[in-house]
Amino acid sequence: NAGVTQTPKFQVLKTGQSMTLQCAQDMNHEYMSWYRQDPGMGLRLIHYSVGAGITDQGEVPNGYNVSRSTTEDFPLRLLSAAPSQTSVYFCASSGQSSREPQHFGDGTRLSIL
Amino acid sequence: EDQVTQSPEALRLQEGESSSLNCSYTVSGLRGLFWYRQDPGKGPEFLFTLYSAGEEKEKERLKATLTKKESFLHITAPKPEDSATYLCAVLSPAGTYKYIFGTGTRLKVLA
Repeated sequence: NAGVTQTPKFQVLKTGQSMTLQCAQDMNHEYMSWYRQDPGMGLRLIHYSVGAGITDQGEVPNGYNVSRSTTEDFPLRLLSAAPSQTSVYFCASSGQSSREPQHFGDGTRLSIL
Repeated sequence: EDQVTQSPEALRLQEGESSSLNCSYTVSGLRGLFWYRQDPGKGPEFLFTLYSAGEEKEKERLKATLTKKESFLHITAPKPEDSATYLCAVLSPAGTYKYIFGTGTRLKVLA
């Protein structure tokens, strides 16, 4: 059982480039979310989805886009990368109830030069 | 404003030396408080969920408790393999799926 799979694990971009961080889960979870983790800041919610076709903004959504066309996949797009987006990005999913614990992937470490 | 504060930021213990980690929160209506463990280079791993004041959960050397203002993660007779960062999160009542995380406590257990 793979759980939550994130790709790539590492990425280096130049300022202004765009890219997509992939997230897939095989647990048939309705809820999925994207976080960024920065030193001293904790995990901050970027965007989340409560089901296919439904997304909403979190605490720090600027500069990021998401879509949810299937239950399994929830990609995060950086439109025009900036050095401030250098971070570790985590994807998480959970079951039907939002009170259920989240399952996290192992993260994508992104550096913007 | 909903907020989660964890203390201490870092903690060093000798093997077998019991201690507690604190998570204080301010939310208008708690829908759930979650504890996670995070190892270096990995995603957070779920430990416990607490829903109401007075509730307690246990797993091996860990015990989580909850009051109306804070939660404690008690570590009894820790071992070096308990070394990790411990994260606390609350489910905000303002949205259906917005979790607020604390900045974590980095625990180091020395043999």
